[in-house]
Amino acid sequence: NAGVTQTPKFRVLKTGQSMTLLCAQDMNHEYMYWYRQDPGMGLRLIHYSVGEGTTAKGEVPDGYNVSRLKKQNFLLGLESAAPSQTSVYFCASSYDASTYGYTFGSGTRLTVV
Amino acid sequence: AQSVTQLDSQVPVFEEAPVELRCNYSSSVSVYLFWYVQYPNQGLQLLLKYLSGSTLVKGINGFEAEFNKSQTSFHLRKPSVHISDTAEYFCAVPGRGSSNTGKLIFGQGTTLQVKP
Repeated sequence: NAGVTQTPKFRVLKTGQSMTLLCAQDMNHEYMYWYRQDPGMGLRLIHYSVGEGTTAKGEVPDGYNVSRLKKQNFLLGLESAAPSQTSVYFCASSYDASTYGYTFGSGTRLTVV
Repeated sequence: AQSVTQLDSQVPVFEEAPVELRCNYSSSVSVYLFWYVQYPNQGLQLLLKYLSGSTLVKGINGFEAEFNKSQTSFHLRKPSVHISDTAEYFCAVPGRGSSNTGKLIFGQGTTLQVKP
């Protein structure tokens, strides 16, 4: 059982380039989330989805877009990368909206130069 | 607004000593509380959670946490730590509007460094 798989694991981008991070889960979870982790700031929610075909903004959505065309996949796009988007990105999924808790992927370390 | 404060950014401790990692929260929604652990270069794993009932919650790897409503705290404890417990620990609470979305707010994290 793979759980939550993130690709790629590492990426270096030049300022202004675009890219897509893929998150795939095989647990049939409805809820999926993208967080970024920065030193001393914990995890901050970028975007989330409560089901196939739905997306919504989180705490820090600027500069990112998402799509959830299939229940098992949640894509995070960077339209025009900036050095401030250098971070570790985590995808998570959950069975319900309250008590279940999250299953996390192993993260994508992105550096924008 | 919902918020989580982890009072210590780093906690150094010797192997086999007890440890407490502190977490305080403010929340106007139903209180569910979580602790997650992140080992080096890995994603986060659920350590334990408080939903209701007994205020003492036991989790994996010998950790436990106590929910204290009057103190708005959810401190994590282990009576005897091992080198393998070296990791970053995050406290989390449901965010605003979370009953339909499942959004969690995470604390800043506490790095537990266990020394031999």
